[in-house]
Amino acid sequence: EDKVVQSPLSLVVHEGDTVTLNCSYEVTNFRSLLWYKQEKKAPTFLFMLTSSGIEKKSGRLSSILDKKELFSILNITATQTGDSAIYLCAVGNNNAGNMLTFGGGTRLMVKP
Amino acid sequence: DSGVTQTPKHLITATGQRVTLRCSPRSGDLSVYWYQQSLDQGLQFLIQYYNGEERAKGNILERFSAQQFPDLHSELNLSSLELGDSALYFCASSWTENTEAFFGQGTRLTVV
Repeated sequence: EDKVVQSPLSLVVHEGDTVTLNCSYEVTNFRSLLWYKQEKKAPTFLFMLTSSGIEKKSGRLSSILDKKELFSILNITATQTGDSAIYLCAVGNNNAGNMLTFGGGTRLMVKP
Repeated sequence: DSGVTQTPKHLITATGQRVTLRCSPRSGDLSVYWYQQSLDQGLQFLIQYYNGEERAKGNILERFSAQQFPDLHSELNLSSLELGDSALYFCASSWTENTEAFFGQGTRLTVV
């Protein structure tokens, strides 16, 4: 059974801080790893990673995948209160259509 | 706005009843996914369709069924509802199975 574990479970920081969110996974036939941000309702897509060692960047957010050690990190620099959300990590399995297995999420709170 | 439309947004129904949730994928997307999110279980994959055909099945109860129609919209049918079926039900869509999935705003189902 595929498994995704995220850490920490929750994090409280102040505006301007840098945070690193962790995601480790076990999957029988890796297709991709995705990061989503969930505020009130719908998860919104951040990154999809398929290759090891290639950093993906979007503004203050960046992510990298290590397929040898089976983990990914999501970095957020110069955090803002609008970054407060639950960050979800998911892995896709090549054996099962494009089924995503999600981790439990990291709840980030950014204080002014 | 992800472009994925789900209706209704909220639904309150009694135990034993049957409901239908509807999803219109983003324009051009061929694949539709259904997920259930409850407080204690996180996001759980239910089922995936690709261009009308079932592609992957998760831990979907026998009381639940889904289909994708020729115009690519999808419906999730939940029958003999129980209190434990109360959850947020998300639909997501992707262009192919190798591209990222975008989520709709969800339908919040409350079974009383």
